[in-house]
Amino acid sequence: NAGVTQTPKFRVLKTGQSMTLLCAQDMNHEYMYWYRQDPGMGLRLIHYSVGEGTTAKGEVPDGYNVSRLKKQNFLLGLESAAPSQTSVYFCASSKVGLPEQETQYFGPGTRLLVL
Amino acid sequence: QQQVKQSPQSLIVQKGGISIINCAYENTAFDYFPWYQQFPGKGPALLIAIRPDVSEKKEGRFTISFNKSAKQFSLHIMDSQPGDSATYFCAASGNTDKLIFGTGTRLQVFP
Repeated sequence: NAGVTQTPKFRVLKTGQSMTLLCAQDMNHEYMYWYRQDPGMGLRLIHYSVGEGTTAKGEVPDGYNVSRLKKQNFLLGLESAAPSQTSVYFCASSKVGLPEQETQYFGPGTRLLVL
Repeated sequence: QQQVKQSPQSLIVQKGGISIINCAYENTAFDYFPWYQQFPGKGPALLIAIRPDVSEKKEGRFTISFNKSAKQFSLHIMDSQPGDSATYFCAASGNTDKLIFGTGTRLQVFP
């Protein structure tokens, strides 16, 4: 089992460019999440999905879009990147949702720098 | 608005000492309180979690203490080891699909 994988590991974008971050999990989990991690801010939820074909907004959804066309994949899109989106992005998955959830399994992260 | 306040921001402890990290929350609907551990360059991983039906949970050298009336919970690491050096995040959830994380504590344990 690879667990949760993220592609790419690192990317540099210019302001206004677009990109898609890919998250894949092989644990047959229903729930998937995208977080961003910034110094002094902890982890903040961007968007999440409670199952294939579903998406929902988290704490900081503005400037991002997501899609969950397949159960094992959760894509995070930046249509027009801004320097404020420079961050480390983590994907996570869980078998069930809260409050029954035991844990979220996190990927290794994608470091994004927007110039 | 920070719904889960974590302190201290950083902590230096000598090997064998006790590391204590504190978190406070306002939302009385929160009923699940996990702690995640993150090593540099890695994603966070669940360390230990507690629900408010108990005031303490212990797993090895790691203990969560929970004070419902004060709306506070803390992580205690006994006999701290250099391998415990990492960033620790508290989190909370209640009645939603979302985990609210604290801002993190960077722990350094020196030999």
